[in-house]
This record gives sequence, structure tokens and C-alpha cells, in this order.
Amino acid sequence: EIVLTQSPGTLSLSPGERATLSCRASQSVSSSYLAWYQQKPGQAPRLLIYGASSRATGIPDRFSGSGSGTDFTLTISRLEPEDFAVYCCQQYGSSPATFGQGTRLEIK
Amino acid sequence: QLQLQESGPGLVKPSETLSLTCTVSGGAISSSTYHWGWIRQPPGKGLEWIGSIYYSGSTYYNPSLKSRVTMSVDTSKKQFSLKLTSVTAADTAVYYCARVYCCDSSGPFDYWGQGTLVTVSS
Repeated sequence: EIVLTQSPGTLSLSPGERATLSCRASQSVSSSYLAWYQQKPGQAPRLLIYGASSRATGIPDRFSGSGSGTDFTLTISRLEPEDFAVYCCQQYGSSPATFGQGTRLEIK
Repeated sequence: QLQLQESGPGLVKPSETLSLTCTVSGGAISSSTYHWGWIRQPPGKGLEWIGSIYYSGSTYYNPSLKSRVTMSVDTSKKQFSLKLTSVTAADTAVYYCARVYCCDSSGPFDYWGQGTLVTVSS
């Protein structure tokens, strides 16, 4: 199965700053079938990005995704207070679908 | 607005069967566009895809759980279900049901239930 490794484990930034989160796959992700989710404590994950770079419905344009093959990036251009959460990536191009362990984005 | 709601026992004894149901409201479960999935998250850990089902009954399971998992769908009740047999403490997790938005049977997931904590303990 494809193992997704996210870095950094924790990212400490201030509102207004730019956040760059990484997701690296142990094998190439087929068809760039890579998604990003945001999860807040006690809540279900929220789909942000699918197909590596397509924003899901209702997601602000400060969220963007890029990458292909084995290296993918989620960028939040200007952090808002509500953006501090855990972010995880998922590949769904090869079975079984797998998730990364998550990056915690915390307020500095 | 599509809504999903998990239901089932919050406590299951070791070696017994975990049974959960997801009820879909605000949209069709029998749409040819979508698959429906189960995902779990052990306390403090990451997400794990358990499996997915199509309205026709076609199923797709995670090989690591395949020998213990059965999923089914009841389109008349707008429900799909999960059964996990021979549970151990390692199966303690928040279990989510979710809709697959597009592209494949196992992701991405755009609508999620609120999740239900299932604890395996005697």
C-alpha cells in the first residue's frame, strides 16, 4: 500500500502568514488522485482539495494544492484564525486508499 | 443539504461483531454518481479507510480488514451498513460514514457523518 508521510508534524505560524504543508507518497499516486482535508477537534474531516489541485465546493481561494507523482503541497496563502487545525492528505488512486498522519497547524 | 448520520452501539465486547448504520438524508443514495464509504479514526491517530459500497451493492474493502468486514446497502431506507467481526481493542475508534465525491470508489470524501465512537471493552 502507498504510505503518505506528511511534514512538518507541527507548524507554528501567525494569522496572516503563509502556510506550506507537504505530503510525500512512497509510490507515485495514480492520476494525481490526492486529496487534502482539514479536521478540527471533535469534528469530521472537511474536504479542501481533490485531484491534487481542485478546490472542493465552498473552499476559499486562499487554499491551494499542487504537486504530482510522489510530492504534493497544500498552501494556505494568508492564514485566518479559523484555519488552525489538523490537515491530512489522502491518496485514492491505488487500493487501499490511505491517509497521511496529519500536520497540526497551530497559532504561534 | 446532504446529511449522513451514523448509529449503533457505542460499546462492543471483544470477539463480538461491531454493527453500524449510516442514514442518508437530503439526497439520493441510489444515484449512479456516488459511492458511500466507512472510515475510522482511533483516538489520537490518523484516518483509515475501511471500505466503500455502491448503491447496486458492489463493495470495495481495505485488504487489511477484508476478512472481517461486510458492507450492505438498503436503498429503500436510504441506509448503508458496516459489520466488523471478531473485534479487539485495536478496533476502538471513531467511525465515520461518508460520501465519495467522484473519481474512484475510495475517495475523495465530501460529505461526512459526525462520527460515532465505538469502544471495544469487556
